[in-house]
Amino acid sequence: GAVVSQHPSWVICKSGTSVKIECRSLDFQATTMFWYRQFPKQSLMLMATSNEGSKATYEQGVEKDKFLINHASLTLSTLTVTSAHPEDSSFYICSASRGAGYGYTFGSGTRLTVV
Amino acid sequence: KNEVEQSPQNLTAQEGEFITINCSYSVGISALHWLQQHPGGGIVSLFMLSSGKKKHGRLIATINIQEKHSSLHITASHPRDSAVYICAVDETSGSRLTFGEGTQLTVNP
Repeated sequence: GAVVSQHPSWVICKSGTSVKIECRSLDFQATTMFWYRQFPKQSLMLMATSNEGSKATYEQGVEKDKFLINHASLTLSTLTVTSAHPEDSSFYICSASRGAGYGYTFGSGTRLTVV
Repeated sequence: KNEVEQSPQNLTAQEGEFITINCSYSVGISALHWLQQHPGGGIVSLFMLSSGKKKHGRLIATINIQEKHSSLHITASHPRDSAVYICAVDETSGSRLTFGEGTQLTVNP
């Protein structure tokens, strides 16, 4: 079946540094990748949608300069949290789709803690 | 009012019980998804439905398009079924998922 590898699974970083999270589709070409953020006991919140080779589309309220998304190939998308602050601490998870009607495959998530 | 509503929010069952989680939605959809999120956070897609019924092992998912309602059933529940179950819909007007709040299921041995 379709597999999406996401890493790191957890990361602790100092305030002011940047962190990169990778999502890779292992056995299919992901035309679209989605990045979500999830706070404890809450549902997934869509941050942005990225199509291979195009600029990401960010949801309202998500700072595009802070959360940099790159989808350079059909199998890899990255989310970089720039100048991280403690309020950026959260669970980040990606999902990938090969197109309408194919469903979504989720990564395993990254727990980011900014100290 | 949320576009996707699930019930119950929390469910505790004894091992072996039959479990039902419900999902109602208020928008036009092209498909409905049932997802399972384990305590570690990873999410597994259980079903994608656009009509009728699907079965996989002890899991059954049904959808009634006219009533805008779907159910997820677990037969012979087991402690390893303990997780958050999330209903999500692909809206016909867009290309992204809209999520319910999730149902926390705990199955006790």
